[in-house]
Amino acid sequence: GQNIDQPTEMTATEGAIVQINCTYQTSGFNGLFWYQQHAGEAPTFLSYNVLDGLEEKGRFSSFLSRSKGYSYLLLKELQMKDSASYLCAVMDSNYQLIWGAGTKLIIKP
Amino acid sequence: IAGITQAPTSQILAAGRRMTLRCTQDMRHNAMYWYRQDLGLGLRLIHYSNTAGTTGKGEVPDGYSVSRANTDDFPLTLASAVPSQTSVYFCASSPDESSYNEQFFGPGTRLTVL
Repeated sequence: GQNIDQPTEMTATEGAIVQINCTYQTSGFNGLFWYQQHAGEAPTFLSYNVLDGLEEKGRFSSFLSRSKGYSYLLLKELQMKDSASYLCAVMDSNYQLIWGAGTKLIIKP
Repeated sequence: IAGITQAPTSQILAAGRRMTLRCTQDMRHNAMYWYRQDLGLGLRLIHYSNTAGTTGKGEVPDGYSVSRANTDDFPLTLASAVPSQTSVYFCASSPDESSYNEQFFGPGTRLTVL
């Protein structure tokens, strides 16, 4: 079966750094996506990784290890507006996205 | 219209009723998708369309149907609603089904079936 695992909830402090992990087992691999979803809103795209390594985009970075079936999203200089759910999704061999349940990130002052 | 829109925003529906959720995009994207999102679960694909005139089944297609008569519109129909179809429904689109393309999401429809 196909499976995406990520922690249900994490708490971090404003100004700090947090790493959200994602492990996956899918039938085929055509890239891994991270999306941000604020409560009551639609998911919005954050990052895409298809090759091993780190992709940096401002305060957000995403890492991929295909051999380990593992990715993480790194958020630096946390702001209160970063309080949201972070969704990990893998595109499988049929070019369909398989989604994790999301990690709810709570930022405290 | 800018992007992707959905209607209605929310709906309460009696079990057994027929309901169509509307989705329209103005980005000329070829691929469109319908997902449902339930608490504690990831987004699950219901149906998809890679181009106008074609549709395909996703992970959870039972009880739902779709059509893609043109590029812009991708309605989702519940023929006879059941309480287990209570969920938040998101429509999404992408330029095509290629792996590197992000999906753009509509604002969602919150559906309650009683």
